[in-house]
Parts: sequence; structure tokens; C-alpha cells
Amino acid sequence: DVKVTQSSRYLVKRTGEKVFLECVQDMDHENMFWYRQDPGLGLRLIYFSYDVKMKEKGDIPEGYSVSREKKERFSLILESASTNQTSMYLCASNAETWNSPLHFGNGTRLTVT
Amino acid sequence: SQQGEEDPQALSIQEGENATMNCSYKTSINNLQWYRQNSGRGLVHLILIRSNEREKHSGRLRVTLDTSKKSSSLLITASRAADTASYFCATPPLGSNYKLTFGKGTLLTVNP
Repeated sequence: DVKVTQSSRYLVKRTGEKVFLECVQDMDHENMFWYRQDPGLGLRLIYFSYDVKMKEKGDIPEGYSVSREKKERFSLILESASTNQTSMYLCASNAETWNSPLHFGNGTRLTVT
Repeated sequence: SQQGEEDPQALSIQEGENATMNCSYKTSINNLQWYRQNSGRGLVHLILIRSNEREKHSGRLRVTLDTSKKSSSLLITASRAADTASYFCATPPLGSNYKLTFGKGTLLTVNP
């Protein structure tokens, strides 16, 4: 079974801190994604990566950056955390083959105070 | 940009009853996918239906797709308390396997 592991389940950070959210997948998937999930807004795509060192903006990239130095690892970076970035962050991956479903991690609930 | 929209937003039924959730989308698609999310957890893929398929079954799940109406439905038969979760439809735009966009989900509560 595919395993997508997010490094933290819960995280509390202060406004202005630099925050790293880490995600690792063990199935050699080409594509990796970061979503945030908020009540009433559903899942929104922040960034995705289709290869090592390659990235593309999703629908809400402002205030975030990403890093993919190795195929199995995709990091989401909040350069200067703000309270409106308090959210559930979900990492996912899938293969490059057509119609490949997404495999999600269990999420990181980030609170910025 | 929202592609899939689920209806209803919330559904409450008794154990043993069937649950039907609907999804509407806006643009042409290659496939439509359904996911389940238990409270506080990540999403789990349930079933994928291709644009040239009209119906697909997996265990107690039945999914239909009507591309002329740009809609899909997910039927869970003989529901159990363990089916309590949020259910999402998701679609990748034509020509892309990347930007899967999700609806806001249907919260299903199955009462024992």
C-alpha cells in the first residue's frame, strides 16, 4: 500500500515564524501536492510538483513556497506565518500514469497564534 | 476554482438505509473520482469512473456518471455507522493529471 507520511499531526507556531511542513511518499510517485482544507471552503490546491525540482502554483500559492529536492519528499514552507494560515494541510501523491488516484497523508493541523 | 460541487451538504440516515450523494461539475473531464474523509484524517480514494463509463460498482458503492448533464452520483447501500464521513468528488481537467479540484463535500452521518 502507498504510504504518504506527514511529519507532524499538530503544529503550533507564532506569527512571523518560518514554518516547514514535510511530506514523504514511499511509492516512487512522480506527482506530489499540497492542499489546505478549511471549513466551508473545501480543499484548495496550494502547489504541486511533477518532478524533482519542478513545481507549479496551484490556486492559492500566496504566502507559501515549496521544495522538492528528492523524488520522495515534498516540503511546504510558510516564509512568515500569519494567523490566516491556520488550517489543515494535506499532502498527496500520485503516479504519472493516466487516471491515477491521489494518495493522501493524514494531514497537519497548523495553528498560528 | 471549484470544479466539483456535492449535494447535499449534509445527510443523516439510519443504519441499513441507502445514502445517495450527487456531484456536478463544469467542464469536460477524463474521469471523476470519489474520496472519503473520516473526521480529522486524510482523504481516501474510493472509486474512479472514466468519462466513457456510465456506471461502476465497488462493494457497497455504486457510482454513475452522466456526461451530458455533467453530474455524478455516489450510492452507498446498506449503510453502516462506520460509513460516517465526508465524501468528496474530484475531477482533473482535460489533458491534465495534475490539478485535481475538489468540491466542498457531503457530510454523511449514519446513526446506529
